[in-house]
Amino acid sequence: NAGVTQTPKFQVLKTGQSMTLQCAQDMNHNSMYWYRQDPGMGLRLIYYSASEGTTDKGEVPNGYNVSRLNKREFSLRLESAAPSQTSVYFCASSENWVGNTGELFFGEGSRLTVL
Amino acid sequence: SQKIEQNSEALNIQEGKTATLTCNYTNYSPAYLQWYRQDPGRGPVFLLLIRENEKEKRKERLKVTFDTTLKQSLFHITASQPADSATYLCALDVAGNMLTFGGGTRLMVKP
Repeated sequence: NAGVTQTPKFQVLKTGQSMTLQCAQDMNHNSMYWYRQDPGMGLRLIYYSASEGTTDKGEVPNGYNVSRLNKREFSLRLESAAPSQTSVYFCASSENWVGNTGELFFGEGSRLTVL
Repeated sequence: SQKIEQNSEALNIQEGKTATLTCNYTNYSPAYLQWYRQDPGRGPVFLLLIRENEKEKRKERLKVTFDTTLKQSLFHITASQPADSATYLCALDVAGNMLTFGGGTRLMVKP
């Protein structure tokens, strides 16, 4: 049972380049999330999708866009990468919207370095 | 704004002792609080959820308390083992539509 799968696991970009982080879950969950994790900052929510067809901004959305491609897949796009976006990115999913106390299932993370 | 504080310094304890981790929050009254475990290079894994009307929750060697007056949750691991060494994150809901995480506390259990 794969759970939440993220690709790529590692990526190095130059400033100004664009890229998309892919995320897929096989648990038939309704809600999906993108977080970034930086030392000393904890996990911060970038964007979320409460259900298929909807997306909303989280705490730190600037510089990112998302697409809920279908119920399984939720991608995160960096249009013009900046060094401040160097971080570890985690995709997560929950059966229902987190406001209903759903636990989050996380992927293994994507480690992005922007030079 | 909502602030969640966990001790950023690592907690070092001896095997067999009880580890106690603290999560303090301000400026909000969450309906529930969650605890996660994160190993190096891995994603967080859910451990326990406690609701605002629950004082205490247990799961095997884990115990969580939630004091809404003190705005604090305590996470206990009894009979700790070296395999319990990891970073532990607390998280709480913000306005019922966003799960916000603390910075985590690293636990080191020495044999």
